[in-house]
Amino acid sequence: DSGVTQTPKHLITATGQRVTLRCSPRSGDLSVYWYQQSLDQGLQFLIQYYNGEERAKGNILERFSAQQFPDLHSELNLSSLELGDSALYFCASSLGLGNEKLFFGSGTQLSVL
Amino acid sequence: QQPVQSPQAVILREGEDAVINCSSSKALYSVHWYRQKHGEAPVFLMILLKGGEQKGHEKISASFNEKKQQSSLYLTASQLSYSGTYFCGTEEQFVGYKLSFGAGTTVTVRA
Repeated sequence: DSGVTQTPKHLITATGQRVTLRCSPRSGDLSVYWYQQSLDQGLQFLIQYYNGEERAKGNILERFSAQQFPDLHSELNLSSLELGDSALYFCASSLGLGNEKLFFGSGTQLSVL
Repeated sequence: QQPVQSPQAVILREGEDAVINCSSSKALYSVHWYRQKHGEAPVFLMILLKGGEQKGHEKISASFNEKKQQSSLYLTASQLSYSGTYFCGTEEQFVGYKLSFGAGTTVTVRA
């Protein structure tokens, strides 16, 4: 158990809908990262927050947004969902910024039908 | 920018050795290695820092060639438990914080 909690574990929804994925980092970790894992794309970096502030952005679509709250939990919002958004979404946390060991949650499997 | 990993897949018998390579066209500050078993989350193996030492994990070690922006992961005397997909992650110099992963190398160790 990495100590990172992601909910829900599975999510099935329809195209055009909006969903929210939630992540609680390990106790004491200030950084949260979001990754998308598709079969043919490996682990794609989406976005990173540190202590409530956005610190790095990857290939995150405009339809996707995220935030980190004062209690350090984070949410990834996916809207106007398309079939291609079906993937495993991982959240990871680390103590600080850069050169840090990442602890991954067990992921949220999103299926868009 | 995503690093490039090779090979895509490797099949080993217990006790054999293997090398997984990771390269980037950008100047790197650090290289991370993670292993993901089927249906599970990636698990940290090691970090190699620019100017730092090679750090090992049991019989898994790695090196970082700063001049070539390349890293190699060495699986020595492989065990069944080494099976999984290995990802290298790279942090580019001056970009910071953004850890980009390669497409992964699937390792299968057979008895």
